[in-house]
Amino acid sequence: QQQVKQSPQSLIVQKGGISIINCAYENTAFDYFPWYQQFPGKGPALLIAIRPDVSEKKEGRFTISFNKSAKQFSLHIMDSQPGDSATYFCAASLLRGDKLIFGTGTRLQVFP
Amino acid sequence: EPEVTQTPSHQVTQMGQEVILRCVPISNHLYFYWYRQILGQKVEFLVSFYNNEISEKSEIFDDQFSVERPDGSNFTLKIRSTKLEDSAMYFCASSELLDPQYFGPGTRLLVL
Repeated sequence: QQQVKQSPQSLIVQKGGISIINCAYENTAFDYFPWYQQFPGKGPALLIAIRPDVSEKKEGRFTISFNKSAKQFSLHIMDSQPGDSATYFCAASLLRGDKLIFGTGTRLQVFP
Repeated sequence: EPEVTQTPSHQVTQMGQEVILRCVPISNHLYFYWYRQILGQKVEFLVSFYNNEISEKSEIFDDQFSVERPDGSNFTLKIRSTKLEDSAMYFCASSELLDPQYFGPGTRLLVL
């Protein structure tokens, strides 16, 4: 029940396209859902986060869509750029600041 | 911008040896965490630390592991007798109360 399932495992997108990564969770007590971006050899960097009281949050080209009834959330990267090529992890926690339960990661490659 | 720092960046050790991984969290943060990431896998929670004591630990964090805040700035993870399966990237993270976690760049530990 503590797991967060993430798909796809890898994603190839053309420059300018939309990248979509999906996550699903079981524990309805989760209250905070961040997305982290990780470049090779670096630590995860917080990208954007959402609480379940909103259905969508947008920051620049990055949007989280949240479906509380389906227990699913997704990251949309609009106008994908080669610099977005990285591994993306969704995560969930009971509280912001509590331990993070990470998804398995999605390796995104954006080709020019 | 303040950041979490970790030393060393790489550590190679022999099986059975003790290692200490060091972290300097962001200065006004009060919550500290260790996570690990086995190569190609997801990031896994090890332990959280607040007010000079462990708040929560995962099943991975057995008696071979310990954490300490020896002074006002450092936060350390000690592995007493390393095993081959301890080879991983170890990330330190810190946060303020109910705030997002910020990750360091990691220490790559290789146990031979």
